Amino acid sequence: DAGVIQSPRHEVTEMGQEVTLRCKPISGHNSLFWYRQTMMRGLELLIYFNNNVPIDDSGMPEDRFSAKMPNASFSTLKIQPSEPRDSAVYFCASSRRNEKLFFGSGTQLSVL
Amino acid sequence: DQQVKQNSPSLSVQEGRISILNCDYTNSMFDYFLWYKKYPAEGPTFLISISSIKDKNEDGRFTVFLNKSAKHLSLHIVPSQPGDSAVYFCAASDLNFGNEKLTFGTGTRLTIIP
Repeated sequence: DAGVIQSPRHEVTEMGQEVTLRCKPISGHNSLFWYRQTMMRGLELLIYFNNNVPIDDSGMPEDRFSAKMPNASFSTLKIQPSEPRDSAVYFCASSRRNEKLFFGSGTQLSVL
Repeated sequence: DQQVKQNSPSLSVQEGRISILNCDYTNSMFDYFLWYKKYPAEGPTFLISISSIKDKNEDGRFTVFLNKSAKHLSLHIVPSQPGDSAVYFCAASDLNFGNEKLTFGTGTRLTIIP
């Protein structure tokens, strides 16, 4: 099993640009999570999906953030427009219902 | 509002000695607790968990203790090995939601000194 696959690994962009982060969950997992890691707040849950349906997006910081899961094998997290304070590591994780989470390697985002 | 707190950002322990990482939580609805380990440039990986019906769970060199009255849990690693150097995240959930909504702490960076 290839695990959770995230792309890109690193993203450097300028303030105001659109950023799209991608995630391929583990096949057979029906829950998908987007987390953001910062020094101050640790790992924050942004949004999670069950069977491709968004269940809880209360962690999405602003309307500039949006996430989609068009099918069971793909999800995106989009930031438009991006700001320097969005700089962080963004993790995608997947799981079977009520089982432990498997994380991807993360996307290191730097907004200049 | 941090519902899961790891008050020690870093910890250094001599190889072979015991490492103790601490975690406190404020939400009394939490009833399932986990520890994740993270190496640089990798995602967190599951280490060990404990349900609120227990006060101890052991897996090899790793033991997690839960004190519900104090809303405190700890991870003991004994003996500590150089490969244990990593960032450790404490996480908690309300089983009413299953494992699906995990709340994480800010992490503790453990360094094992050879």
